Amino acid sequence: AQSVTQLDSHVSVSEGTPVLLRCNYSSSYSPSLFWYVQHPNKGLQLLLKYTSAATLVKGINGFEAEFKKSETSFHLTKPSAHMSDAAEYFCVVSDRSAGNNRKLIWGLGTSLAVNP
Amino acid sequence: ETGVTQSPTHLIKTRGQQVTLRCSSQSGHNTVSWYQQALGQGPQFIFQYYREEENGRGNFPPRFSGLQFPNYSSELNVNALELDDSALYLCASSLGQGTGELFFGEGSRLTVL
Repeated sequence: AQSVTQLDSHVSVSEGTPVLLRCNYSSSYSPSLFWYVQHPNKGLQLLLKYTSAATLVKGINGFEAEFKKSETSFHLTKPSAHMSDAAEYFCVVSDRSAGNNRKLIWGLGTSLAVNP
Repeated sequence: ETGVTQSPTHLIKTRGQQVTLRCSSQSGHNTVSWYQQALGQGPQFIFQYYREEENGRGNFPPRFSGLQFPNYSSELNVNALELDDSALYLCASSLGQGTGELFFGEGSRLTVL
């Protein structure tokens, strides 16, 4: 069965330091993977997506993620955190179930705090 | 700015009442998904509509129902409201069913007293 695990429920970094948000997945087929961000009291916004092209994916706001099949991971990184990055981040896997109907599996989220 | 608009943004109801939430999808998108997000939790999939037909449903009771109209806008209806229905209800539109590339609205915050 497909699943997604976000390894940290809370991450705290200082402004200007690197960000690493970890996501592992399990999938029977070739998955598509996504990271979404949700700022307080806002809807969700797509940060980036992996759909079997380049394994290193660049997203908005300086974020990127690397798909590592051997490690079944899709960790989100950013070289230098900004105060505006403080938000909740969700890792999502889209897996093929019956026919062409891909099911979305959401992680539980990682809350990122950025300290001045 | 995703082009997905939801209304109302906030509303308060009492137990047993009924509520209708509305969503206008992004231009050109034919699929709408609805999610419930309780405070401090991740989004929970309610159901998806593709070309006016329900196309996938999460673990929600039948008192959660929906519609999609020919212009691809959508409604979420919840009958017999319970306290646990208090949540942020998110609508997401996409081009085609099953894609993970979703465009979310800002949500409707429902409080049930």
